[in-house]
Amino acid sequence: GAGVSQSPSNKVTEKGKDVELRCDPISGHTALYWYRQRLGQGLEFLIYFQGNSAPDKSGLPSDRFSAERTGESVSTLTIQRTQQEDSAVYLCASSYGALAGNEQFFGPGTRLTVL
Amino acid sequence: AQKITQTQPGMFVQEKEAVTLDCTYDTSDPSYGLFWYKQPSSGEMIFLIYQGSYDQQNATEGRYSLNFQKARKSANLVISASQLGDSAMYFCAMRVDNNDMRFGAGTRLTVKP
Repeated sequence: GAGVSQSPSNKVTEKGKDVELRCDPISGHTALYWYRQRLGQGLEFLIYFQGNSAPDKSGLPSDRFSAERTGESVSTLTIQRTQQEDSAVYLCASSYGALAGNEQFFGPGTRLTVL
Repeated sequence: AQKITQTQPGMFVQEKEAVTLDCTYDTSDPSYGLFWYKQPSSGEMIFLIYQGSYDQQNATEGRYSLNFQKARKSANLVISASQLGDSAMYFCAMRVDNNDMRFGAGTRLTVKP
């Protein structure tokens, strides 16, 4: 079946504009994760969904960041009033469940550039 | 809180030799999973190997093996017979039940011909 997909693959925006990033998880995967990866750095956890609820929002860097998920399907990550430091690759992953042994499958990422 | 540490920012290995990438972790939860992912320059995250905290034997997947030392809280990745295509970033990650996965800072491996 299809893997995790993300859109757009690339997004260039001007400072101060809002952006929406989309993630389509693998069908049947109840858990969904958003990460940020700045150039040359590791993955920074942003938010995790179990179904459409978010038990852990601790990684969102500021109140400009928000995310929602419709059922056990699509998720959108919204960044309001973008800043240059928001430039990064935003990775989405999904897993069948949220147990310790459930592997996360990653999407190709959205590369965000804020000018 | 969970914590993953990779202390080697970069590693070099000669083609066909073995290399060990270090990873230590910290958690108070007795049930956890340890993962290694490879990220080539294309940016995709490729799952390599998994070790459960209750697994008695070290995990192996082809040329990859995980040297799991529970008492020392380490989960080092061993790549045998390195190939040029192994050059990439390698991330260690840990997960506990009903929680997100936390990643280490990564190790950049370069395989020299």
